Parts: sequence; C-alpha cells; structure tokens
Amino acid sequence: DQQVKQNSPSLSVQEGRISILNCDYTNSMFDYFLWYKKYPAEGPTFLISISSIKDKNEDGRFTVFLNKSAKHLSLHIVPSQPGDSAVYFCAASDSGTYKYIFGTGTRLKVLA
Amino acid sequence: NAGVTQTPKFRVLKTGQSMTLLCAQDMNHEYMYWYRQDPGMGLRLIHYSVGEGTTAKGEVPDGYNVSRLKKQNFLLGLESAAPSQTSVYFCASSGTRVYEQYFGPGTRLTVT
Repeated sequence: DQQVKQNSPSLSVQEGRISILNCDYTNSMFDYFLWYKKYPAEGPTFLISISSIKDKNEDGRFTVFLNKSAKHLSLHIVPSQPGDSAVYFCAASDSGTYKYIFGTGTRLKVLA
Repeated sequence: NAGVTQTPKFRVLKTGQSMTLLCAQDMNHEYMYWYRQDPGMGLRLIHYSVGEGTTAKGEVPDGYNVSRLKKQNFLLGLESAAPSQTSVYFCASSGTRVYEQYFGPGTRLTVT
C-alpha cells in the first residue's frame, strides 16, 4: 500500500512555462512534506519543504502548495529552465518519527 | 567538506556472499539513513539511526543489518546476498533540520 503517490511518471514543459508536479498521500498522520530533486548518477538533493500548519511555501522559483483536506501537494516551478530537468520526489513524514516515505518520482523534462 | 560519501560506488556479488557498504558524513549530523531505490518504487527506508550507538528499522529491513559505532559512520551489511537485493543504495544524513537530508551519490549493487 503506497502511502505517497506520484501518479505522473513523466512531464514535459517548454522553457519559461510553469511546471506543476503533483503528489498525493493517504496517511492523515503525515505533517511534514518535502520535495527532492535527483539528477542521474547522483543522490537526491533537498529542494523545499512544507509543514502541515501552512498551505504554501515559496523559495525563489519553487513553490509548494499543500491541500490537507484533499491530502494533496504540488510543486510549482516558474519559470521552468532546462537545468530543472531531473526526477522529482515528494516525501512525507509524521514528525513524531524520523521515517520519510517517498513517492515514486516524476521525471521532468524542460524543453529549450 | 565532502558531505556524505559512500564506498564502494559499484559492486557485483554472487548469491550468498556478504558485504558491507560504508557511509561517512563530515557534517556532525546526528541522524543517518540507508535507502534503496528500485525502478518504479522510489526510495524505501531500510534502517536509520538517531545517534551514535543507535539503530532502528525502516520500511524494508529484512536481509540487512546496520551499525553506528561512530557518529560519522553508518554501515549497512548484507549477510547473505540475494538477487532481490539488486538495487541502488543511498545513504543520507540530517542535522538539526531533521527533514533536510543530505544524500550520498549511491552504490549500485548487483547480485547474480
């Protein structure tokens, strides 16, 4: 039973446009959410996080939105750049534990 | 400042052989983690540690053992390798911002 789901395995976007990556979760105990970015042959790197007490967190071109009632979060990248092409993982945690459950990832391709 | 390093980068084992993967971090982080990444599965937590001398089970601990004798090192052992353990293994660490994990570059293990 997958508790964190990324239903789109891949996404292509034109350079300069908005990229929207989606993530759904099932465990209502999750209260901290993360996005990681991964290039081939490298480990994931932390991108942005959001706590369940917020519904939006912004860092430069990256914004994460959280809809607790729908158990859904999304990552918006504006404007998208070719260097953003990577696999993006969302992850969730119950802050009472140190365990992070990762989604299966979405491969983003930004076309020049 | 090397961050998180993993040794070795690649390894091929025969079924039944044993090996140890070494993870080292130079950021004085308390928390360390071992994940495996399989195609279509995202990252799954194998074991983790919340401090020197401590270890705990993650999502998929069977067939693996770990030790954290020194704060900077986290070892993952396979006592009797099986083809199902063919995967890419990532180590990560985190400090006071527990949710912000720093990942190593990964170890690609093939068990034949």
